[in-house]
Amino acid sequence: GDSVTQMEGPVTLSEEAFLTINCTYTATGYPSLFWYVQYPGEGLQLLLKATKADDKGSNKGFEATYRKETTSFHLEKGSVQVSDSAVYFCALSFSGGYNKLIFGAGTRLAVHP
Amino acid sequence: EPEVTQTPSHQVTQMGQEVILRCVPISNHLYFYWYRQILGQKVEFLVSFYNNEISEKSEIFDDQFSVERPDGSNFTLKIRSTKLEDSAMYFCASTEPSGANVLTFGAGSRLTVL
Repeated sequence: GDSVTQMEGPVTLSEEAFLTINCTYTATGYPSLFWYVQYPGEGLQLLLKATKADDKGSNKGFEATYRKETTSFHLEKGSVQVSDSAVYFCALSFSGGYNKLIFGAGTRLAVHP
Repeated sequence: EPEVTQTPSHQVTQMGQEVILRCVPISNHLYFYWYRQILGQKVEFLVSFYNNEISEKSEIFDDQFSVERPDGSNFTLKIRSTKLEDSAMYFCASTEPSGANVLTFGAGSRLTVL
């Protein structure tokens, strides 16, 4: 079945460090890929998305590129801030209608000053 | 910016009691969803709802669960007889009619079953 695998956390970084959170997927077709973020005590917010191979999603300094050849969608940020501390979820979905999101397990990021 | 609103934010209930979680999706959205997240675990799909009927449900969504859109704005999740393992954060989400499959989530309702 379709699934998403994320690197296990927690990831602990110092402020201004480079961030990579790995995400790979298994899917029978060509899904859209997403990163959602969950800040402490809050719900899930869409961070970025990519809908086809080689697309790059970006938002708030975060980037991820849809790599069909490696079935990956790794999240990167060049310089993290304390305010980026959150849980990050990689997810996939198929286009159209009511198709559900399939989430990875989430990766907790803690950024220290 | 339009948002999905969920109530209550936290509910504590005794095992075996009925619970109703409420959601007000974004007004022009047509597809509605419930997800849950047991503490420290992944976000899991429960059910999707379109055109006043369930379009898909997961194995988790057994006979104890039901969903309803009682009027033009609310979307509810009912758990008939709660179990300890139903303790989780429940998220409502909705998507726009274009099929762009970008879900907007509510802030969640935390259910604690004692």
